[in-house]
Amino acid sequence: DAGVIQSPRHEVTEMGQEVTLRCKPISGHNSLFWYRQTMMRGLELLIYFNNNVPIDDSGMPEDRFSAKMPNASFSTLKIQPSEPRDSAVYFCASARGPTSQFFGPGTRLTVL
Amino acid sequence: SQQGEEDPQALSIQEGENATMNCSYKTSINNLQWYRQNSGRGLVHLILIRSNEREKHSGRLRVTLDTSKKSSSLLITASRAADTASYFCATDGLTSGSRLTFGEGTQLTVNP
Repeated sequence: DAGVIQSPRHEVTEMGQEVTLRCKPISGHNSLFWYRQTMMRGLELLIYFNNNVPIDDSGMPEDRFSAKMPNASFSTLKIQPSEPRDSAVYFCASARGPTSQFFGPGTRLTVL
Repeated sequence: SQQGEEDPQALSIQEGENATMNCSYKTSINNLQWYRQNSGRGLVHLILIRSNEREKHSGRLRVTLDTSKKSSSLLITASRAADTASYFCATDGLTSGSRLTFGEGTQLTVNP
């Protein structure tokens, strides 16, 4: 198995632009998680899905952030409009139920 | 304070020495997990210990859990330079489903 796949690996954009991050979870995993990691705030859970349904989005910072999971093999995290304070590494992780999570390599986002 | 706080924040040792990291949490849990993160990479699951377990081993790793003190420790024996990474504990609350709460991590440096 290729593991959790994220794209792009790096994204540099200007303030106000729309950013879309993509994730392909491990086949057979029914839970998917989006995290954000910064030096200041550490690793934060933004949202997680179970069987493609959003279960907890309390970590989504504001309305500029949205996430979708149209099917079991794909999820997106969108930021519109982006701001410099959104600069961070965004991780996607998947799991089979409430067990260990498998993390993707992350997307390093820089908003200028 | 956040659920899952690691102590110390940073630890520097010589190759061959043992490294001990501690984690404290606040609410009752089902499981406690330890993850490793190499610089610029995603987190990698190391070991899971259930709330009814007191100790678990995996290779050079030894994890203990004291639910009465709401604390856990991770011991890495005979450390190697390749063990240099950040180590995070993560807990799932009794009602949190698949959601994990990560601590701020311990940065371990193993000097050759």
